[in-house]
Amino acid sequence: GAVVSQHPSWVICKSGTSVKIECRSLDFQATTMFWYRQFPKQSLMLMATSNEGSKATYEQGVEKDKFLINHASLTLSTLTVTSAHPEDSSFYICSATGQGKKTQYFGPGTRLLVL
Amino acid sequence: AQRVTQPEKLLSVFKGAPVELKCNYSYSGSPELFWYVQYSRQRLQLLLRHISRESIKGFTADLNKGETSFHLKKPFAQEEDSAMYYCALSDNFNKFYFGSGTKLNVKP
Repeated sequence: GAVVSQHPSWVICKSGTSVKIECRSLDFQATTMFWYRQFPKQSLMLMATSNEGSKATYEQGVEKDKFLINHASLTLSTLTVTSAHPEDSSFYICSATGQGKKTQYFGPGTRLLVL
Repeated sequence: AQRVTQPEKLLSVFKGAPVELKCNYSYSGSPELFWYVQYSRQRLQLLLRHISRESIKGFTADLNKGETSFHLKKPFAQEEDSAMYYCALSDNFNKFYFGSGTKLNVKP
């Protein structure tokens, strides 16, 4: 149980375009979803926390207009990288927790390459 | 500020040797501590959490509040233990903070 999927697993886009990444909890209701960014050989950096039906809470230094997060249902959260630039190239990972739970279940990640 | 420190980027041991991956934290409240593992080409997965006080795959970790540590230990390392290990702290607001990770390499 507790499987989280991400789509797409990798994406290449041109600079200036927008990219949407989906995060789904497949067998549980995810009241909270987290979005992380991971640079090569570095740790995960929390970008934002989203609760179903409410606005995401962004970490300091993360532009909310750049990284749009929508958590419209208990099984789906999306991260849209708007007007992507090469420096946005990274590995984006989502995770989810269930109601009243602390353990986070991670998606497999999405590798974004902006040309 | 909440911080998790994993001082070792790489730890190499021989098969059968004991292994200890260090994790220190700083947090003013009552955190929950976790160890996550990432095997090659796989997603992060939970290894263990301190409140469970369990042993998973032979690994144990004890929360030492006096030393603010949560070191991960295994008495006899196996080759299949080779992976990236991340120590994580969950604060009172359910936010997670990850350490920089330690790559464990178990040599035959």
